[in-house]
Amino acid sequence: EAQVTQNPRYLITVTGKKLTVTCSQNMNHEYMSWYRQDPGLGLRQIYYSMNVEVTDKGDVPEGYKVSRKEKRNFPLILESPSPNQTSLYFCASSPKDRGRTNEKLFFGSGTQLSVL
Amino acid sequence: GDSVTQMEGPVTLSEEAFLTINCTYTATGYPSLFWYVQYPGEGLQLLLKATKADDKGSNKGFEATYRKETTSFHLEKGSVQVSDSAVYFCALRGTGYALNFGKGTSLLVTP
Repeated sequence: EAQVTQNPRYLITVTGKKLTVTCSQNMNHEYMSWYRQDPGLGLRQIYYSMNVEVTDKGDVPEGYKVSRKEKRNFPLILESPSPNQTSLYFCASSPKDRGRTNEKLFFGSGTQLSVL
Repeated sequence: GDSVTQMEGPVTLSEEAFLTINCTYTATGYPSLFWYVQYPGEGLQLLLKATKADDKGSNKGFEATYRKETTSFHLEKGSVQVSDSAVYFCALRGTGYALNFGKGTSLLVTP
């Protein structure tokens, strides 16, 4: 089954304790992205990747890191989480559609992160 | 920069009522426009899209028409069902790589 898989689904941690949220897609998509969803703010892009070893900042990259060593995986790393990073996080991927990337995004089921 | 504005929710409707969720956009050039839907506890799914002016996207009884003259892409459905209860996001892709999402409109359909 074609899908984007995020883990964990729920995570509670404490301020300053490094964590990684994993994301994997089995559709051979070039484009991958991380979003955070907050009440009243909708979805905001954190980082994205156009292909292996190519990553770039989105709208709210502060406090996050990513890597893209393999095409299928795009982990999100919080080196020193803070309470303002409590949010619902989504990973998404996309094929190239008629030569344009990012016409249709496939989303994971989300990771609810709470930083105490 | 590119942006999307959609109506605030929540929207509460009775089953079989007519639905309109307004979406307007600001963008240079000719953006592609999308509606995504998020069912409870799930990620977003593409509902429909339109890539040029006057295109109509449709899926599952939902429709939206790309109106360049009014910079709008309003979502409509003639008769909503309880199963349509979800959060709906309007989005656009302009000249950059990112999809710009609206803040989402929550829809609750009651029996």
